Amino acid sequence: AQKITQTQPGMFVQEKEAVTLDCTYDTSDQSYGLFWYKQPSSGEMIFLIYQGSYDEQNATEGRYSLNFQKARKSANLVISASQLGDSAMYFCAMREGRSTGFQKLVFGTGTRLLVSP
Amino acid sequence: NAGVTQTPKFRVLKTGQSMTLLCAQDMNHEYMYWYRQDPGMGLRLIHYSVGEGTTAKGEVPDGYNVSRLKKQNFLLGLESAAPSQTSVYFCASNQNRQGSPLHFGNGTRLTVT
Repeated sequence: AQKITQTQPGMFVQEKEAVTLDCTYDTSDQSYGLFWYKQPSSGEMIFLIYQGSYDEQNATEGRYSLNFQKARKSANLVISASQLGDSAMYFCAMREGRSTGFQKLVFGTGTRLLVSP
Repeated sequence: NAGVTQTPKFRVLKTGQSMTLLCAQDMNHEYMYWYRQDPGMGLRLIHYSVGEGTTAKGEVPDGYNVSRLKKQNFLLGLESAAPSQTSVYFCASNQNRQGSPLHFGNGTRLTVT
C-alpha cells in the first residue's frame, strides 16, 4: 500500500491566487512527521514546511501553510498568493515513528504546479 | 555555505562498469542519506548513515554499497552498473534535532548504457 499518496499529477493556478496540493498518508504510528519539498526545473530539492503529528497547530512558513487533518490522514500544502517562481514539482514525504532527528522519509510521487501570469 | 555537495553532476557508464558518487556536507550533520529519483516514482531511499562508521540499508539497496569513513562524507558505490540504475541520485543530510529537515545536494544524473 502506498504510504504517501499525491493524487494530482498536475495543477494549474493563476498568479496571485491560492492553490492547495493534496497529500494523504497511511501509517499506524501515533508519532510521525510530514514534510513538503519543492523541486524546481533546475532539479534541487528545497524544504518548505514540516508538521509533527503531535503539533496542535497547523504549520506555517511565509506563504506556505500545511492543512493538517489527522483524522482524515491528510496533510495538504496551501500556497497563498502564487508567484511565477512557484512553478515546480512538489513532494509530500513522511517519517514514521518518533525521531530525535533521524528522518527516514517516504516520498509521494509528486504534483507538478504550473503558475500562469 | 556550500551545504551538501555532490560530485559528479553527470556521468555515463557502460553496463558492468563501476563508479563512486561522492557526497560532502559542511554542516556537521549526524545523519546522511542516499536517494534515487525515477520518473513517476518520487524519491526512494537507497542507504543511510546515522553516524561516522555506520551505514544501513534503505528501501532499494540492491546493487549499491556505501561508506562513511568521515562524518562529512558519504560515498555511494556501484560495483557493476546496470541500465536499471539509470536515475538521478540525491544525497541529503540533517542534524540531530527533532523535525530537522533533510538538506539535499543538487543531484547526480547517471545514465547506464
